[in-house]
Order: sequence, then structure tokens, then C-alpha cells
Amino acid sequence: GAGVSQTPSNKVTEKGKYVELRCDPISGHTALYWYRQSLGQGPEFLIYFQGTGAADDSGLPNDRFFAVRPEGSVSTLKIQRTERGDSAVYLCASSLGGGGTDTQYFGPGTRLTVL
Amino acid sequence: AQKITQTQPGMFVQEKEAVTLDCTYDTSDPSYGLFWYKQPSSGEMIFLIYQGSYDQQNATEGRYSLNFQKARKSANLVISASQLGDSAMYFCAMREGGNNDMRFGAGTRLTVKP
Repeated sequence: GAGVSQTPSNKVTEKGKYVELRCDPISGHTALYWYRQSLGQGPEFLIYFQGTGAADDSGLPNDRFFAVRPEGSVSTLKIQRTERGDSAVYLCASSLGGGGTDTQYFGPGTRLTVL
Repeated sequence: AQKITQTQPGMFVQEKEAVTLDCTYDTSDPSYGLFWYKQPSSGEMIFLIYQGSYDQQNATEGRYSLNFQKARKSANLVISASQLGDSAMYFCAMREGGNNDMRFGAGTRLTVKP
């Protein structure tokens, strides 16, 4: 079946602009996660959705970052007033139920470059 | 505090040989899961293998096996019969029972030589 998809694959923007990154999880997966991966590092957790609600947004770095999942499937990560430090690969993952031992399956990521 | 430690920034292995990638972790939660992911140059994180803290036996998936030593808090990945396509970054990750986030190590870059 289809895996997790993310669009766009690459996004270049200017400092101060607004961007939206989209994630389409595996069909039937109720849990969805966003991670950020900076160069040379492992992914860092941003936010977790169970269904439509953000069950844990403790990883969002500040209030410029926001994410939604209005119908419990596709999610959008929104970044306002982008800064050069936001440049990274943004990874989305989904899992069947969201439990502690649930395996997360990742998408190919969106590479964000803020000039 | 660093929860997952991968001490090998880079590793080389000859094709068809076995290689062990190290991972140690830190947690006081008795319930946790340990995961290994492969990230080729394309960027996608590919799930390889999972070990639960209560599992009695070491996990195996094809050429991948996990050497789980609970008392030492280590979860090393063993890749047998290395192939050129195994060249990639490998990440160890942990998810504690009550948490939603998965913590990743810094990764190990594996290069398989022909």
C-alpha cells in the first residue's frame, strides 16, 4: 500500500515568509507525528496527533510553529515569520494507534531552506 | 540529558561481512521500545527492527538482529552479510512507555566497501 507522502519535497523561502508543509499519512493510521532533522543530527520530535487533536505539542520550538489535522488524516505544519534557523528537513510519520511500542513509518521529508 | 547515544559517527565494512552498530540508552521507565531506522541518501527513514523492553528474546528481521542487553542498557544492531545497498545512516531510537515522542541518537554512517 501507499506509504507516508509529504509535499513539497523541497521548499525555498525568504526570511520572514510563511510556509505550509503537508503530510499524508498511511491510510488507517490514527497517529501522526512531525519531526525536524537538522544537518548531521537525528530527528527531533515536534508534535503528535491522535485523530484530529494535537495530543502532544511539547516539541514545537515556539509560537511561530503550528500544525493542524482537521479531518484526522492529512496534516499541515505551518511556520510563520520563518527564520534562517528553521532550515531543516521536516519529517512526518504515522503509526497505527499511537501506543508506546507502535512502529512509526516515515515519509520522505520536506527540505526547507530559509534564505 | 542525552537519552540515546551512538558513539560511532562512521563505520566501514567489507561486502558480505557482518557489522555491529552500537547504541546505548538511558531511561528509568520500565516500559520502553527501541527502534532502528535506516536513512539512505534519499532521506527517507526506513524502519528496520523493534525491541520491546519486556521481550525475552532478541529481535531479528532477515539480515538484521538486535543485540539487546538490558542490564547494560544497550541495543546494538547487527547486520549480517553486508550489501552495497546497506550504505546509509543508521539511527537508534527509543520511545518510553508513557511518552508520545521518539528520541533519536545522532546516527552512524555505514559504508560498505566492495
